[in-house]
Amino acid sequence: AQSVTQPDIHITVSEGASLELRCNYSYGATPYLFWYVQSPGQGLQLLLKYFSGDTLVQGIKGFEAEFKRSQSSFNLRKPSVHWSDAAEYFCAVGAYIGGTSYGKLTFGQGTILTVHP
Amino acid sequence: DAGITQSPRHKVTETGTPVTLRCHQTENHRYMYWYRQDPGHGLRLIHYSYGVKDTDKGEVSDGYSVSRSKTEDFLLTLESATSSQTSVYFCAISERQGETQYFGPGTRLLVL
Repeated sequence: AQSVTQPDIHITVSEGASLELRCNYSYGATPYLFWYVQSPGQGLQLLLKYFSGDTLVQGIKGFEAEFKRSQSSFNLRKPSVHWSDAAEYFCAVGAYIGGTSYGKLTFGQGTILTVHP
Repeated sequence: DAGITQSPRHKVTETGTPVTLRCHQTENHRYMYWYRQDPGHGLRLIHYSYGVKDTDKGEVSDGYSVSRSKTEDFLLTLESATSSQTSVYFCAISERQGETQYFGPGTRLLVL
């Protein structure tokens, strides 16, 4: 069964600083990978996803993530954080079963991002 | 934004009472999901549906049941609510399982 680990429960950065949120997954085959963001009191919004192809994917709000198969990682990055980026971030993995069949998504426990002015 | 609504958005109930949460979509997506979100646990799948009248259990299904009589509606029922079911419940939809899921705004449930 697949699993997702987000090692950092809480990260604090200063506005304008760079950001990297870590995500490690466990799955035997090629995974589908996602990053979602959740603002307080809101639902989850898709930031970006990786299905295949270029391992560096661009998302909304200036975020990007890099799929590294050798490290089983899909870390989220942003070169310069804005105060509005303060939120909780979730990594998720989906499993490709075969043909047109895909398994359910498994979510990590989330990383809370605090941005200091 | 995907057309997903959840009702009610907030509910307070007492232990032992039945509770039904509704998820409604206007996207005609085949797959619908119910998650609960608790601090330190992320999102955990309760039940999901892969078509009208087709449902299956997730990882935390005990104490919950679901029904889907129409493509657009997916109901989550707590047969006899317990305090451990106090949580925020999210509905999600997707065109195909394993691909992008779109989330509703959530229902905050407090069981006293």
